[in-house]
Amino acid sequence: AQSVSQHNHHVILSEAASLELGCNYSYGGTVNLFWYVQYPGQHLQLLLKYFSGDPLVKGIKGFEAEFIKSKFSFNLRKPSVQWSDTAEYFCAVNALNTGFQKLVFGTGTRLLVSP
Amino acid sequence: EAEVAQSPRYKITEKSQAVAFWCDPISGHATLYWYRQILGQGPELLVQFQDESVVDDSQLPKDRFSAERLKGVDSTLKIQPAELGDSAMYLCASSLTGVHGGGYTFGSGTRLTVV
Repeated sequence: AQSVSQHNHHVILSEAASLELGCNYSYGGTVNLFWYVQYPGQHLQLLLKYFSGDPLVKGIKGFEAEFIKSKFSFNLRKPSVQWSDTAEYFCAVNALNTGFQKLVFGTGTRLLVSP
Repeated sequence: EAEVAQSPRYKITEKSQAVAFWCDPISGHATLYWYRQILGQGPELLVQFQDESVVDDSQLPKDRFSAERLKGVDSTLKIQPAELGDSAMYLCASSLTGVHGGGYTFGSGTRLTVV
C-alpha cells in the first residue's frame, strides 16, 4: 500500500528565512503528487501539484516543489517565508494504475513563522 | 468560487449517541470523499463514492459508521454509536473526474467532539 512520510513534524522559522519541507512516498509506479496547506481555522487548500513534465513545479504564494523520482521525494520549498505562511502543510500522493483514484496524505508539518 | 458545503461545523455528542454529518459537493462533481483527520495526523480516507456507488470503504469502521449518497449528489456520514476515539475533524471533498481532475476541493469540515 502506498504511504507518505513527512519527517519534519514541527518547523519554526523567522521571517525571510528559507523553507524546505521533506516528503517521501512509497510506491514504485507512476504517481501524482500534491502539497496542501491548512491555515489556522481554514480548510485544506491546494498549493501545487505534479502530474508529469518538468519536475520543478511552481504553486501559489511563491511555493515550489521538486519531484525527484529516484529518491521518491517531492520536497516543498520557499526562498523567503512570511508570517502569513504559518500553517500546516500536507504532502499527498495518488498512485496511478491502482483502481479508483484517491489521495494518501502524510501526517503533516506544522510551520510557525515568527515575525 | 464553488465550494464544498458541510454541516454542522461543530458537533459535541455523548458517547453511545448517534451523530450525522452532511456534505454537498460542488455541482457536477461525480466523485465524493469522506476523510477523517485526527488531531496531529493527516487526513485518512474513510469512504469514496463515484456517483451514488461506494468504490472504496476499506477504512470505514462498518460496525458503527455508514455513508450514503442516494442520488449521487449530497452525502451523509453517520456514526452510531459514537465512541470517544471518534473525536476528529471529518472532511468531505469532491472532484470532477477523480484525482486526475487536479486534486480535490475540500469542505471546511465538521469537528466532532465525543464526551
